[in-house]
This record gives sequence, structure tokens and C-alpha cells, in this order.
Amino acid sequence: DVKVTQSSRYLVKRTGEKVFLECVQDMDHENMFWYRQDPGLGLRLIYFSYDVKMKEKGDIPEGYSVSREKKERFSLILESASTNQTSMYLCASSWRGGGQPQHFGDGTRLSIL
Amino acid sequence: QKEVEQNSGPLSVPEGAIASLNCTYSDRVSQSFFWYRQYSGKSPELIMSIYSNGDKEDGRFTAQLNKASQYVSLLIRDSQPSDSATYLCAVRSRGNTGKLIFGQGTTLQVKP
Repeated sequence: DVKVTQSSRYLVKRTGEKVFLECVQDMDHENMFWYRQDPGLGLRLIYFSYDVKMKEKGDIPEGYSVSREKKERFSLILESASTNQTSMYLCASSWRGGGQPQHFGDGTRLSIL
Repeated sequence: QKEVEQNSGPLSVPEGAIASLNCTYSDRVSQSFFWYRQYSGKSPELIMSIYSNGDKEDGRFTAQLNKASQYVSLLIRDSQPSDSATYLCAVRSRGNTGKLIFGQGTTLQVKP
């Protein structure tokens, strides 16, 4: 079974802090993704990576950055957290080949106070 | 027009009935389609993939794809209260990035 592990299930931080969300997958997947999910807005793609050190912006990259130094790990960074970044953050991974589904981690519910 | 559209619901069905969830998509060249189930407060879980026109069955679940009409549906037979969740339709986007485009999801309520 695919295992995508997010470092924290719940996280509370203060405005202005630099926040790191970590995601690790154990299936040697090339692709990794970060989403946020908010009521009424659905899943929105923040960033994705298709290889080590490669990244592409998704639909809502503002205020976020990412890092992928190793194939199995994809980090999401909130450079200076703001209250409007309070959300559920979901990491996913997939094979690069055509038609491959994404597999999600358990999610991190982040609150910015 | 949204790229992937679903009726947000809630769709309410009695226990034991067939639940029918629908999804339409705008990109005619899409080739890969997925259904995810998401329980409240949890992450999406893949339940079905479908790539060819027609039906694909897996237990109580049947996915149906009609590329000419650009819709994909999910049927749940003998619905159970444990099937109550939000069902997300996802369509693979163009190119080879592995990106999926998700619908907003349909909330299903199965009443005992």
C-alpha cells in the first residue's frame, strides 16, 4: 500500500511565523503535490513537483514556497504565516506515467492565530 | 464553465438504495478519471479509476464513463450509512505533469 505521511495532524502557529509542513512518501513516486482545502472552495493546488529540485506553481502559490531535496520528501513553507492561511493542507503523490491516480496523506489542519 | 463540475448536494438516499453521483468535464481530450471518497475531517481516498468508455465495477461501486458526452458517474449499490461522505470526481489534466482537476464534490447522505 502507498503510504504518504504528513508530519503533523494539527498545528497552531502565530501570524508572521515561518511554518514548515513536511510530507514523505514511501513509493518512489516522481510526482508530489500540495493542496489546501477550504469549505466551499474545494481542493486547490498550491505547488507540485515532478522530480527532485523541480517545482511548478499551482493555482494559488502566493505566500507559499516548496522544497524537494530528496525524492521522497516534499516540504511546504509558509514564509510569513497569515490568518487567511488557516486551512486543511493535503499532500499527495503519484507515479509520473499516464493515468496514475494521486494518493493523499492524512492532512494537516493548520490554524494561524 | 468549471473544468470539472459536480452537483454539491446533499444527495440523500435511503439505506439499501442505489446512489448515483454525476460529474461532467470540459476538456474533450481527457483520458483518465478518478473517484475519491472523503469522510468529514479526513483526506480523500481513491475508490475507482476509469479510463475507457463503458462501465467498471468493483464490489458495490460502478464507475461509468461516456467520453462523447463528457461525463463520468459513480453508482453505489445497496447504499449503507457508512457510505455517507463527500465524493470527489477528478480528471487528469493535459500534459504529463500528473496534475488532477478536482470537482467540488457531492455530499452523499445515506439514511437508515
